Amino acid sequence: RKEVEQDPGPFNVPEGATVAFNCTYSNSASQSFFWYRQDCRKEPKLLMSVYSSGNEDGRFTAQLNRASQYISLLIRDSKLSDSATYLCVVTPNQAGTALIFGKGTTLSVSS
Amino acid sequence: EAEVAQSPRYKITEKSQAVAFWCDPISGHATLYWYRQILGQGPELLVQFQDESVVDDSQLPKDRFSAERLKGVDSTLKIQPAELGDSAMYLCASSAGAEFGYTFGSGTRLTVV
Repeated sequence: RKEVEQDPGPFNVPEGATVAFNCTYSNSASQSFFWYRQDCRKEPKLLMSVYSSGNEDGRFTAQLNRASQYISLLIRDSKLSDSATYLCVVTPNQAGTALIFGKGTTLSVSS
Repeated sequence: EAEVAQSPRYKITEKSQAVAFWCDPISGHATLYWYRQILGQGPELLVQFQDESVVDDSQLPKDRFSAERLKGVDSTLKIQPAELGDSAMYLCASSAGAEFGYTFGSGTRLTVV
């Protein structure tokens, strides 16, 4: 089983739609979780951290389910500019070790 | 906003040649990472530095790849000799702590022909 798994998509949605991505991780001791956004041929950029209590930033909501070992990202009222690849990222159990990235889920928002 | 500097942005090299990439992390960030990202995949760690020391290079193909961060600030990643399968984006990142996430540089897109 891979450490971080995501549905690669693509998810094709119209503007204004709500879309959700899930990500599962294998290491139950993982401590920190993030969603990164990556535009085509650009570097990944931190979108938001994922906290145990869940967190929201404008149209974006991230949630963590430790019992089931999955992370979700919900995007409401999708914009054309949301088209990108969304990378799920976790830390392994050992403090100080590097983040592990999923392969990413591609979102395409159309008008 | 503080940035991670990388150069060059693009590099085309012939197989069997040597190639080097440079990274300057955000000032004060002790931890520096080199990742490789093949098209359609997520970034995969090559090497992690804490100051000038290598913390993890278990995924670095040491027969052809080397990395150094001599003064604990900027870093160089070298490939010699380059192979066709090395074509990828090479990303440098730095962090104030893994719990804060990373900041990536703009990457070096390597094409080996």
